[in-house]
Amino acid sequence: RKEVEQDPGPFNVPEGATVAFNCTYSNSASQSFFWYRQDCRKEPKLLMSVYSSGNEDGRFTAQLNRASQYISLLIRDSKLSDSATYLCVVGASGGYQKVTFGTGTKLQVIP
Amino acid sequence: GAVVSQHPSRVICKSGTSVKIECRSLDFQATTMFWYRQFPKQSLMLMATSNEGSKATYEQGVEKDKFLINHASLTLSTLTVTSAHPEDSSFYICSAREYGSNQPQHFGDGTRLSIL
Repeated sequence: RKEVEQDPGPFNVPEGATVAFNCTYSNSASQSFFWYRQDCRKEPKLLMSVYSSGNEDGRFTAQLNRASQYISLLIRDSKLSDSATYLCVVGASGGYQKVTFGTGTKLQVIP
Repeated sequence: GAVVSQHPSRVICKSGTSVKIECRSLDFQATTMFWYRQFPKQSLMLMATSNEGSKATYEQGVEKDKFLINHASLTLSTLTVTSAHPEDSSFYICSAREYGSNQPQHFGDGTRLSIL
């Protein structure tokens, strides 16, 4: 089993739709969780950290389910500019924590 | 926000040349820096992790004598691709992170390396 697993997609959704991605992780001792987005031929950019109680940033909501070992990202009112690959990142505990990237979920928002 | 600067952004050179890529954290102390490689339409592949002042830890299959990493200060890490060949052509991306739990990585803009 991979350390971090994501559905590669692509998810093709119309503008204005709500879309959700899940990401599962295998290490129950994982302590830090992030979502990044990566545009084609560009570097990944931090979208948001994921906190235990869940957190929201505008149209984006991230949730953590430790019991089932997954994190989710919900995007409401999708925009064309949301089209990108979304990377799930999971980190171990400790100051020099090792992080593991998922392979990414591709989202295509269609006009 | 945290800024990571990576240079050069694009390199085209002949086979056999050694290429040096710099990664700098501009407004924070990067105790840990990472080097990734990404081939077209593939996911990021971690090459090595370096903590400031220590030798880099290389991932399996990555030749440490081929990809020399130096992380001598809290704001600078370098990756040198020695005697580069066409198969080394790729998108190389660095990231940097401050010490502490729950610190995210911040990425440089990447270096597109083309070996002729």
